[in-house]
Amino acid sequence: QSALTQPASVSGSPGQSITISCTGTSSDVGGWNLVSWYQQHPGKAPKLMIYESNKRPSGAPNRFSGSKSGSTASLTISGLQAEDEADYYCCSYAGGNSWVFGGGTKLTVL
Amino acid sequence: QVQLVQSGGEVKKPGASVKVSCTSSGFSFTSYGFNWVRQAPGQGLEWMGWVNGDNGNTNYAPRFQGRVFMSTDKSTSTVYMGLRSLRSDDTAIYYCARKSGYDFDHWGQGTLVTVSS
Repeated sequence: QSALTQPASVSGSPGQSITISCTGTSSDVGGWNLVSWYQQHPGKAPKLMIYESNKRPSGAPNRFSGSKSGSTASLTISGLQAEDEADYYCCSYAGGNSWVFGGGTKLTVL
Repeated sequence: QVQLVQSGGEVKKPGASVKVSCTSSGFSFTSYGFNWVRQAPGQGLEWMGWVNGDNGNTNYAPRFQGRVFMSTDKSTSTVYMGLRSLRSDDTAIYYCARKSGYDFDHWGQGTLVTVSS
């Protein structure tokens, strides 16, 4: 069970859009439409932002969206705001009540 | 409202064991599963395992098999995570998270476990 691959960092200016990729294998991301994304601010617990690859829970702003193609999932944040600066983690179901996280991406809002 | 409240921080010596609790409220405990996720200092999230809130069934990540145990107490809506044979690289914040569908929709505040001689 290897960690999913995410870029270490991304950055963007307020109002811009950014996309964070999350690459796995046919055993996890590619095998299930069950990727979730979590936002984590320093010293805080993670917060669910996207589930089932492209669904947004109540409480997550609609500028957050998700997609998946093959074994790569993506999180897009449109209209970047200062409060979006955080670490972002993807997570995929991997079968048999097991999950695997990505290594995390640090988003900097310039 | 949904709440997951974890026990306080622990300091343990190498080779010892630790048990962290996570007490839930605001929902039907037996209708959900619970996961444990840890985060070493400055590192990413790592999935450790899952426990069913109704029947106590578990599944552990391969790297923790034999060293971790997870259990539930339905009478107090509490899940437990224990880790044996602690090493310095087990120093981390340990989170419980409620499983909703196939994602983790609510998280505890985290418990810092420090392993040091």
